[in-house]
Amino acid sequence: NAGVTQTPKFQVLKTGQSMTLQCAQDMNHEYMSWYRQDPGMGLRLIHYSVGAGITDQGEVPNGYNVSRSTTEDFPLRLLSAAPSQTSVYFCASSYWRENNEQFFGPGTRLTVL
Amino acid sequence: KNEVEQSPQNLTAQEGEFITINCSYSVGISALHWLQQHPGGGIVSLFMLSSGKKKHGRLIATINIQEKHSSLHITASHPRDSAVYICAVRLRETSGSRLTFGEGTQLTVNP
Repeated sequence: NAGVTQTPKFQVLKTGQSMTLQCAQDMNHEYMSWYRQDPGMGLRLIHYSVGAGITDQGEVPNGYNVSRSTTEDFPLRLLSAAPSQTSVYFCASSYWRENNEQFFGPGTRLTVL
Repeated sequence: KNEVEQSPQNLTAQEGEFITINCSYSVGISALHWLQQHPGGGIVSLFMLSSGKKKHGRLIATINIQEKHSSLHITASHPRDSAVYICAVRLRETSGSRLTFGEGTQLTVNP
């Protein structure tokens, strides 16, 4: 199994550009989520999904969109990038039942100029 | 105030020392996770516990539900243990797999 994969690993954008961060998992997990990690702060939840066709907002959803058309894929879209979105982004997945281990992707380091 | 507080924020140790990282939380939880983030950025799950104690190799995790406190211990520390250790909790008020994270503890083990 590849586990959780993310692309790209690094990205530089200019303010106002849009882009999609890709996330895929091959473990048939129902739950997938996107986090951002900033210096001095814990991982913060952006959006999450409990299954294909179902998404919901986390703590910091503004400026981001998600969709879940298949169990495997959970892309994160930046609609109009801003310097405040400079961060490291992690995708994670797990079974939806309580008390399950979460598996993390390798992360995407995004810089918005 | 964060719902999950870790201490210390930074910890430097000499190889072989016994290390303790603490995590306190302020609300009811259904589970607590300890994660390790390597210098390269990858995050892996070390433990998930809702009571008592778990051990894996040189790592031991304990939790005291009444005191809302957990500790991660590393015995006979080694430079390869240098990483950020993150505590995360599943709040009882939320269902399923949503986690709330502490800020992490940066551990450096010198040879």
